[in-house]
Amino acid sequence: KQEVTQIPAALSVPEGENLVLNCSFTDSAIYNLQWFRQDPGKGLTSLLLIQSSQREQTSGRLNASLDKSSGRSTLYIAASQPGDSATYLCAVGVDQAGTALIFGKGTTLSVSS
Amino acid sequence: NAGVTQTPKFQVLKTGQSMTLQCAQDMNHEYMSWYRQDPGMGLRLIHYSVGAGITDQGEVPNGYNVSRSTTEDFPLRLLSAAPSQTSVYFCASSYSEGNEQFFGPGTRLTVL
Repeated sequence: KQEVTQIPAALSVPEGENLVLNCSFTDSAIYNLQWFRQDPGKGLTSLLLIQSSQREQTSGRLNASLDKSSGRSTLYIAASQPGDSATYLCAVGVDQAGTALIFGKGTTLSVSS
Repeated sequence: NAGVTQTPKFQVLKTGQSMTLQCAQDMNHEYMSWYRQDPGMGLRLIHYSVGAGITDQGEVPNGYNVSRSTTEDFPLRLLSAAPSQTSVYFCASSYSEGNEQFFGPGTRLTVL
């Protein structure tokens, strides 16, 4: 059974710091991996999607990498800002359509000014 | 586009009552899913659909029914609500195979 783990569960950093969030999964047979952001009491916002054949994706200050063979993904946030404070969720697509997502429990990030 | 919409935003039920959570998308997305989010458990997949007339079970399907008669709508039915179904329910959709998923704002359900 696929399991997704995110470490650390919580992280506090000062504004301007570069940081890395980690995601690991137990079964390398995934079709894609998606990073989301969730603000308190809100829905999920898609940040980056990496297909199983890709190694990384970038969007602005965000960079996500995928190493299927080792079962790991990282989300790199450059020059963090207070507005980046949120919970970040990693999810792997386990069906051929990439529709059935298995989620990690998230990393809650707090960026102080 | 309104994106993915969910109604109601909040609902309180008594044990044994039934209800339907509504989900609609106006992006012509083929794939739709339902998740529940519980403290300490993360998001778990309930049911999903890869097109009209096609549904499949996720991790936690018991106590829930779905059908997909149109591309736009994917309702989730609670047949006989139980306190264990107290949760926040999210609907998601994606355009096609392997595309990013877009989530609705959620329905917060309390079963007394």
